Amino acid sequence: DSGVTQTPKHLITATGQRVTLRCSPRSGDLSVYWYQQSLDQGLQFLIQYYNGEERAKGNILERFSAQQFPDLHSELNLSSLELGDSALYFCASSVGDRGTNEKLFFGSGTQLSVL
Amino acid sequence: ILNVEQSPQSLHVQEGDSTNFTCSFPSSNFYALHWYRWETAKSPEALFVMTLNGDEKKKGRISATLNTKEGYSYLYIKGSQPEDSATYLCAPGGGTSYGKLTFGQGTILTVHP
Repeated sequence: DSGVTQTPKHLITATGQRVTLRCSPRSGDLSVYWYQQSLDQGLQFLIQYYNGEERAKGNILERFSAQQFPDLHSELNLSSLELGDSALYFCASSVGDRGTNEKLFFGSGTQLSVL
Repeated sequence: ILNVEQSPQSLHVQEGDSTNFTCSFPSSNFYALHWYRWETAKSPEALFVMTLNGDEKKKGRISATLNTKEGYSYLYIKGSQPEDSATYLCAPGGGTSYGKLTFGQGTILTVHP
C-alpha cells in the first residue's frame, strides 16, 4: 500500500459526460501528479500541483482540469468525454515539488470507460 | 519532452537466470532517471532514482547503473524469481521539468518457474 488513495476505482460513463476523479496523497506529501495510461501508450504526465498551486503541465487537454485543495487532496475533472478518454488514470504524490529527483508514490488508479 | 526507449519490449527467463534491460534517453537537459516496477493489477512502485553519472543503486537482487553522458541506464536482476515478473518502467526527468517525468513503454519481464 503506497498510502495514496484514489477513488473511484472504476468509472463507466457515456460520451459527452463529465466526471471527477479524486486523489488523497500520502500523509506529509505536498505534491500531487496526475498521469494517464491509455492502450498502447506509456504513462503520460498530465499535471502536477504542489501545496495547492499548479507546478507543471503536460499534454493535458483543455477539456481536463485539476485542482489541489487546502487539505492537499486533488481532483481531476474530465468533461465532454470522448471514447478516446477511456484510460487508467493514476495519481501519484511526493514530498517536495521536484518530482524529477524524488520517488513518486502511485495510487491504485481509476479505470475510466467511456461508452 | 524527453524521448525514452526501453529494450527489449518483453523478456522471458527461467527462474534463477540473471537478466538485464536498457533504458535510453537524450543526454541533454538530463536531471534524474527513475526506475519503477509495475506488477499486474497493482500500481507502479519506485525502485530507484538516480541523478549522477556513474551512479549505481542496489535493492536486494535488483541493481541499476546510469550513464548520463551517453544517455542510458541498465537494470539488472540477479537470480530472477517468479515474483520479479512485472513491467519495468524507466522515466527520465529534465532539469526544468519539475514533476514531468517521461515514462518509457516498459520491459515486460516474465520469470518461469
